[in-house]
Amino acid sequence: EVQLVESGGGLVQPGGSLRLSCAASGFTFSSYAMHWVRQAPGKGLEYVSAISSNGGSTYYANSVKGRFTISRDNSKNTLYLQMGSLRAEDMAVYYCARDRPLGLYYYMDVWGKGTTVTVSS
Amino acid sequence: EIVLTQSPATLSLSPGERATLSCRASQSVSSYLAWYQQKPGQAPRLLIYDASNRATGIPARFSGSGSGTDFTLTISSLEPEDFAVYYCQQRSNWPRGYTFGQGTKLEIK
Repeated sequence: EVQLVESGGGLVQPGGSLRLSCAASGFTFSSYAMHWVRQAPGKGLEYVSAISSNGGSTYYANSVKGRFTISRDNSKNTLYLQMGSLRAEDMAVYYCARDRPLGLYYYMDVWGKGTTVTVSS
Repeated sequence: EIVLTQSPATLSLSPGERATLSCRASQSVSSYLAWYQQKPGQAPRLLIYDASNRATGIPARFSGSGSGTDFTLTISSLEPEDFAVYYCQQRSNWPRGYTFGQGTKLEIK
């Protein structure tokens, strides 16, 4: 079964750091680009970051650029999101998702259940 | 950056009725558009890709149409489990990222 399981969320003070992980199973992790998407309480989906299959290319939304770092360890089938200088507006459920070629292009076809990040003093 | 605008924000319908959800892009995205369904407490689920292709396991009552800047998700006859929030999404060329619409909440009337 294709599966993504996020972990690492929790309570952190403003200005603090946190590292999220996303463990992949049931597919060849190293063949797929991966994404992080977040959802603040009661809000819509916000795209956060992406990384290519070999880790050589990354993308960040302007809202997190310079504070978050995406990485992956293909030997461990795991995706990471290192979050720093956390702000109240970073509080959200963070989802990882797989980027799969479908039809003409690429789409997020598998999502994890998410991990919750709370930023509060 | 391409902006996706969904309408209406909320749609109130009864089971058995037909639902029509709209997504408009600020510039052409060709047919590179997806629709996702999200139920409370759950992750989003891919419904439609390339504007009109159903993802694996998605019932035939879900259909997508459109190209360029105007897209529609239609649910032909609403089932109780279809009441959820629906998002459209597009992606620019790598390594630029995805953009989501703000969502349409489909609620029971």
